[in-house]
This record gives sequence, structure tokens and C-alpha cells, in this order.
Amino acid sequence: AQSVTQLDSQVPVFEEAPVELRCNYSSSVSVYLFWYVQYPNQGLQLLLKYLSGSTLVKGINGFEAEFNKSQTSFHLRKPSVHISDTAEYFCAVSVVAAGNKLTFGGGTRVLVKP
Amino acid sequence: NAGVTQTPKFQVLKTGQSMTLQCAQDMNHEYMSWYRQDPGMGLRLIHYSVGAGITDQGEVPNGYNVSRSTTEDFPLRLLSAAPSQTSVYFCASSQTRDSISNQPQHFGDGTRLSIL
Repeated sequence: AQSVTQLDSQVPVFEEAPVELRCNYSSSVSVYLFWYVQYPNQGLQLLLKYLSGSTLVKGINGFEAEFNKSQTSFHLRKPSVHISDTAEYFCAVSVVAAGNKLTFGGGTRVLVKP
Repeated sequence: NAGVTQTPKFQVLKTGQSMTLQCAQDMNHEYMSWYRQDPGMGLRLIHYSVGAGITDQGEVPNGYNVSRSTTEDFPLRLLSAAPSQTSVYFCASSQTRDSISNQPQHFGDGTRLSIL
């Protein structure tokens, strides 16, 4: 079975400051990795995904994530946040060639302060 | 293009009542799924379907039934609601078949369900 751990449940950050959201996963088989964002009272939207190739993945809204196989991590970063980045962020994995079932981490709430 | 539509948006039930949460998508996606979201636990998969007539259980299927008679619709049924089923429920769809697992999922806006 797979598991995903998001190491911070809440991250307060000032506007225009950088932010990093940490995600570690555990799996005995190969996985794909995803970050989703959930704005208040909305569903989840895909930020970015890692399937293969370059370990640095760029997504929407200026976010990027780096896959580190040896540390089984997939941390999300943004160099300068905006008020509009206030949301909950979820890291998720799916097992390669085993269907599109996602296993989610517990989520990280990002609160951007002016 | 509506995407994934969930109804109702909010519902309050009494213990033991039954209800159906509706989910419809207009993207001709084969794969559809239901998740529940609880604080600190992320989203957990309840049931999923890889196409019309095919459903399977996810991580937390107990107390829920599903069916998939058409490509567009994937309703979730609570036969006898319990307080432990108080949660936010999300339906998702993706353009994937069978074992392909790298397609992004499109989520509805959720149904907030309270069971008293």
C-alpha cells in the first residue's frame, strides 16, 4: 500500500515571501506524483504532476516541485506568494499502471498574510 | 462546459435516513470516482468506476453503494446514514481507461453532508 505524508498542516507566510510545502511518500512500487490545490468552498484543481523525466516540474500559477527518489519526497515551492495563493494544498500519488486511484496526504493549509 | 457537477451542495440528514448524492460529467470521461474529505485526513477513495457497468471499491467503501449505468452519471448512495459519514464528498472524473494512472482528475465542487 502507498502512503503520503504532508509534514506541515498549516503554513503562514507573508505576501511576496517564498513558500515550501513538504511531501513525503512511501511505496514499494513505482508511483506518479501530483499536487492539487483547493480554494475555499471549491473542488481540487491540478497544480502539477511528475510522471517521468526531469525531476523539476513546473506547474500553474508559478508553482514548481522537485521529485527526489532517494528521499521519496516531492516538495512544492513558490518563490513569491500572493494573497490569492491562500488555499489548501494536497500531495497525492497513484501507482503506475494500476488505475487512476489517488492516495492523498492530509493537506497543508497556506495562509498568505499582507 | 460544465465539467463535473455535484448535487446537492449541502444536505442535513438524520441517522438512518437514506439519500443519493448525484454526480454528472460532460467530458465523456471513462473514469469516475468518489472521495470523502475529512479534516487532517486528506481525501479518501470510496468507490470508483472505469466505465459504464463497472464499479469497484476504494479505501473506505462501507456504508456506500454506487452504480454506473451511463458514462455521464455516477451516483453515490447512503442506505442508512450514520454520524460517521458526516463529511465533504467529492466526485472526480478523468480521461483514463483501465490501468492508465497518470491522467489528472477533474473534481466537482463537493457536497457537504451532515448527519445528526
